[in-house]
Amino acid sequence: GAVVSQHPSRVICKSGTSVKIECRSLDFQATTMFWYRQFPKQSLMLMATSNEGSKATYEQGVEKDKFLINHASLTLSTLTVTSAHPEDSSFYICSARGTGDSDEQYFGPGTRLTVT
Amino acid sequence: QQQVKQSPQSLIVQKGGISIINCAYENTAFDYFPWYQQFPGKGPALLIAIRPDVSEKKEGRFTISFNKSAKQFSLHIMDSQPGDSATYFCAASMRSGYSTLTFGKGTMLLVSP
Repeated sequence: GAVVSQHPSRVICKSGTSVKIECRSLDFQATTMFWYRQFPKQSLMLMATSNEGSKATYEQGVEKDKFLINHASLTLSTLTVTSAHPEDSSFYICSARGTGDSDEQYFGPGTRLTVT
Repeated sequence: QQQVKQSPQSLIVQKGGISIINCAYENTAFDYFPWYQQFPGKGPALLIAIRPDVSEKKEGRFTISFNKSAKQFSLHIMDSQPGDSATYFCAASMRSGYSTLTFGKGTMLLVSP
């Protein structure tokens, strides 16, 4: 149980284009989903927290107009990187926390974004 | 300010040995301490987690030791295997509906055959 999927697993896009990454909780309902980015050999950096049906809360330094997050249902959150630039190339990982009083977060397999 | 300090940065252990990774936290409001294992190109996977009402939790070869007064917790991997070679992250959060995880910087573990 507690499986989170991400799509796509890898994406290459040209500078200036937008890319959408999907995060789905497959076998549970996720009240809260989180988006992280991770650079090589570094830890996970939280970008934003999204709760179903409400606006995402972005961490300091993360541009909300550049990284658009939509959490339209209890099983789906999307991250859109708008006007991508090479410095946005990174490993993007989502996680989901179930409903109820649970602390556990279940992570997706990640999406490798390369902006050329 | 880094709220969770993890050490060592990297670790080499012989097969069959014990791997020990340590973490220290500053925020006394933290009350949930998970450990994650991450293989290259994959997302982190929850290994084991502990709450401060117990000093130790064991699941198979993995044990968390927790010292509330010292604000430290550690992961012990008994009988380490080459398949355990991965990056390990400790994390901490507060028990609340909207709490986020604060991660340590990670430890790259290599278990030599």
